[in-house]
Amino acid sequence: DVKVTQSSRYLVKRTGEKVFLECVQDMDHENMFWYRQDPGLGLRLIYFSYDVKMKEKGDIPEGYSVSREKKERFSLILESASTNQTSMYLCASSVGTSEQYFGPGTRLTVT
Amino acid sequence: GENVEQHPSTLSVQEGDSAVIKCTYSDSASNYFPWYKQELGKGPQLIIDIRSNVGEKKDQRIAVTLNKTAKHFSLHITETQPEDSAVYFCAASSRSNNAGNMLTFGGGTRLMVKP
Repeated sequence: DVKVTQSSRYLVKRTGEKVFLECVQDMDHENMFWYRQDPGLGLRLIYFSYDVKMKEKGDIPEGYSVSREKKERFSLILESASTNQTSMYLCASSVGTSEQYFGPGTRLTVT
Repeated sequence: GENVEQHPSTLSVQEGDSAVIKCTYSDSASNYFPWYKQELGKGPQLIIDIRSNVGEKKDQRIAVTLNKTAKHFSLHITETQPEDSAVYFCAASSRSNNAGNMLTFGGGTRLMVKP
């Protein structure tokens, strides 16, 4: 079974802090994605990566950056956390045009 | 870009009844339509998908229909069971690029099946 793991299930940070969210997949997938999930808005794509060191912006990249130094790991970085970034963050991976496999999510609260 | 609307936002049914969730999309170039189920405390999981060259697809108690002319697609769950209770998301893909299918999600439907 494909396994996508995220470093934390819950995270509380203060405004202005730098925040790192880590995602690891164990199926050698080339594609990895970061979404945020908010009630009524579904999942919105922040960034995605199709290869090591390759990244592209999704629909809502403002305030975020990403890093992919190894194929299995994709990091989401909030350079200076703000309260409007309080949300559920979901990581996913896929190969080719196949289904996306999601991690369990990280619920981030910025106070 | 693509816009996907999903209705209803909440749905309550009695065990054994059918449930229908509807989605509309805006981009006529969309060609892939997956449905995901998200249980409490878990990430979304694909339950069924359909491509634009097919009008209907079934998998046991779950079926999806697609009307390309009207740009809408629906999820049908028959003989609902309490374990069907979850949040369901539809999605549409109008872009394929270096990272495969780029998905735009609907807002989600919380389905509650009462025993």
